[in-house]
Amino acid sequence: GENVEQHPSTLSVQEGDSAVIKCTYSDSASNYFPWYKQELGKRPQLIIDIRSNVGEKKDQRIAVTLNKTAKHFSLHITETQPEDSAVYFCAASKGTGGYQKVTFGIGTKLQVIP
Amino acid sequence: NAGVTQTPKFQVLKTGQSMTLQCAQDMNHEYMSWYRQDPGMGLRLIHYSVGAGITDQGEVPNGYNVSRSTTEDFPLRLLSAAPSQTSVYFCASGGLGNTIYFGEGSWLTVV
Repeated sequence: GENVEQHPSTLSVQEGDSAVIKCTYSDSASNYFPWYKQELGKRPQLIIDIRSNVGEKKDQRIAVTLNKTAKHFSLHITETQPEDSAVYFCAASKGTGGYQKVTFGIGTKLQVIP
Repeated sequence: NAGVTQTPKFQVLKTGQSMTLQCAQDMNHEYMSWYRQDPGMGLRLIHYSVGAGITDQGEVPNGYNVSRSTTEDFPLRLLSAAPSQTSVYFCASGGLGNTIYFGEGSWLTVV
C-alpha cells in the first residue's frame, strides 16, 4: 500500500520567515495530494491540495509543489504569522474511477515565534 | 448543514467494555472512514467504506468493527476495550475528488 513520509517532524521559524514541509510517497499511481492543518484540540482541516496533472498551486501565502518523477511534494508558507502555528499533515491518495483511501504523513509541528 | 458529526466527544471506558462511536454526515458522501490519532503517530486509518454495504480494513483494524447500512452513518465499534485503544478518533467523509472532511473528534480513555 501507499506510504507517505513527512519531514521535519518539528519546525520553528521566526515570524515573517518562510516555512517548508516536505513529503514523499511510494505509490506512483497516487494522483491527489492534500495538506491539512490541525490546531491544538481541533480537527484537521484542508488548507490546499494538488493533483498530479499540476506542478504547483498557490493560495495567498500558501503554495504546494509536486514532482511526480521524484514522488515528492512540498508545502511552502511565506510571511509566517503566529496563527500559522499548528500541526500540518500531508497525504496522498489515488482516485481512479472510485473513491480511494487517503494515507497521511506523520505530521509536522510548526511553531512561529513572534 | 452540519457536515460530519461525531458522538460522544469524550468517553472513559474500563478495560473489557464495549462501546460504539457514532458518525453521521449530511453531505451525501459515498466515502467514510475512521482514523485514530496518537502522539507521534499521525493519523492512522482504522476502517473505511466506499458506499452503503461496503467496508474495508485500513492500517490498524484489530479490535474495531464497522458497518455501513446507510450512506449517512458509519459507526465504529470497540468490541473489548484495551488501554492501547486510548486515543483520539476522527471520522471523515469524502465525495468526488477525494477531498475528505473530518468530524470534531472523540477523545477516548480506556482505564
